[in-house]
Amino acid sequence: NAGVMQNPRHLVRRRGQEARLRCSPMKGHSHVYWYRQLPEEGLKFMVYLQKENIIDESGMPKERFSAEFPKEGPSILRIQQVVRGDSAAYFCASSPSEGVRTQYFGPGTRLLVL
Amino acid sequence: AQTVTQSQPEMSVQEAETVTLSCTYDTSESDYYLFWYKQPPSRQMILVIRQEAYKQQNATENRFSVNFQKAAKSFSLKISDSQLGDAAMYFCAYRTMYSGGGADGLTFGKGTHLIIQP
Repeated sequence: NAGVMQNPRHLVRRRGQEARLRCSPMKGHSHVYWYRQLPEEGLKFMVYLQKENIIDESGMPKERFSAEFPKEGPSILRIQQVVRGDSAAYFCASSPSEGVRTQYFGPGTRLLVL
Repeated sequence: AQTVTQSQPEMSVQEAETVTLSCTYDTSESDYYLFWYKQPPSRQMILVIRQEAYKQQNATENRFSVNFQKAAKSFSLKISDSQLGDAAMYFCAYRTMYSGGGADGLTFGKGTHLIIQP
C-alpha cells in the first residue's frame, strides 16, 4: 500500500517563475492537506481539499497561491511569481474520510527560490 | 485559536535510557485529537502516536507512550529504551474533532530536537 507521493522532491525556481507541486494521496484517501514548513519551524496548515472541492483555505496566502484536487490525477499546489520568501518545504498529507481522519504525510517538496 | 507549545528546543538522552518530551496546548474545546509526529533527517513526517481527548487511557505504541493530562492541557511523549534511530525532530500537534473554519488542519508546535548519545 503506497504512501502519500509527492513530486518533485526538490524544485529550484528563479524569482518570478511558477512552481507546481504535486501530491497523490494514499490509496483509499479522499482528503488532502497542504502544509508549509519554514526553516527551524513547525508545519503551518495551508489548505484542505476533497475531490474537486476546496474545503478550507484559511491558511493559504491570498495572492499567488492556489490549490486544486481534480476528479482525476494528483492534487496540485501552484505558486505564481515566486519570491525568495516562498523557499520552504511543502508537505502534503492525506486522510480517510471517516473516523479520526488521521493525516499521513508525504516526503515533502523542497522549494528553493533563487 | 489553538496553540501548541513545546518548551524544549533540544533534548539529549543516552541510548537505552528513557526520555520524556513535553507539550502543552491551549484550547477552549472539549473534543479534540492530539498527535506526536517524528521528523528524522530525511524530513519525512512520521506519525508516532495519537490520543483522542475523550479517552482517559493513555495511548501506547511499543516503546512510545503518552501522559495525557486533559485538565492541565498537557500531552507529553515518553520514549523508553531509546535507540539511535529515534534521533529526530518531534512535533506535537492538535486538531479539533469538528470540521470547518480552519479546524481541519493540524496545529503544530515548533518541535523538540532529540539527540541519542551512543
